[in-house]
Amino acid sequence: DIQMSQSPSSLSASVGDTVTISCRATQNITTYLNWYHQKPGKAPTLLVAVASNLQSGVPSRFTGSGSGTDFTLTISSLQPEDFATYYCQQSYTSPFTFGPGTKVGVK
Amino acid sequence: QVQLQESGPGLVKPSETLSLTCAVSGGTVISSSWWTWVRQSPGKGLEYIGEIYHSGAATYNPSLKSRVTISVDKSKNQFSLRMKSLTAADTAVYYCARVRYDFGEGHKIDKWGQGTLVIVSS
Repeated sequence: DIQMSQSPSSLSASVGDTVTISCRATQNITTYLNWYHQKPGKAPTLLVAVASNLQSGVPSRFTGSGSGTDFTLTISSLQPEDFATYYCQQSYTSPFTFGPGTKVGVK
Repeated sequence: QVQLQESGPGLVKPSETLSLTCAVSGGTVISSSWWTWVRQSPGKGLEYIGEIYHSGAATYNPSLKSRVTISVDKSKNQFSLRMKSLTAADTAVYYCARVRYDFGEGHKIDKWGQGTLVIVSS
């Protein structure tokens, strides 16, 4: 299986900050990398597909980048609704494994 | 707007079999989508269990394959998960969801149910 890791595991930020989350795969997954966020007690929500394709309705302050094994999700001008846990997921091959998550909390 | 709703027991005894159903509304299981089960536990995070197409073609996580069966019932517009030989390690929130394989975007999970907590305990 392809293993996914994320860093940091958690971070504290303020509204208006720019936040960067990293995700790494144990092998080349080209750009087959999705990003989700999840709020407590809710299901995950898809933000970005194939590393950089923002999904319909997702604000433009979210930017995904990367290819190969290293990926980044950047949130510019953090908004109150962005405090959540963010997960990457490789969509290159089954089983479609997720990263352990990065919790974005309030500073 | 497709909506998914899980149903099933919240408490299951060790060694027993779990059966969960996902009702699909606002759309049909007979579409170009695949339908998946994902679980989330504190110890293992989000874990892909498997997925199924309306034809009955299914794929499973090898780590669970020997214990899991996913099926689809087109007449009821729902799909189901059966997992046997449960242990405490199977305690988790179980989500059903829709998978899209859009051109150029590969496998993505774009609609999720609200999730159902399953506790394995005697």
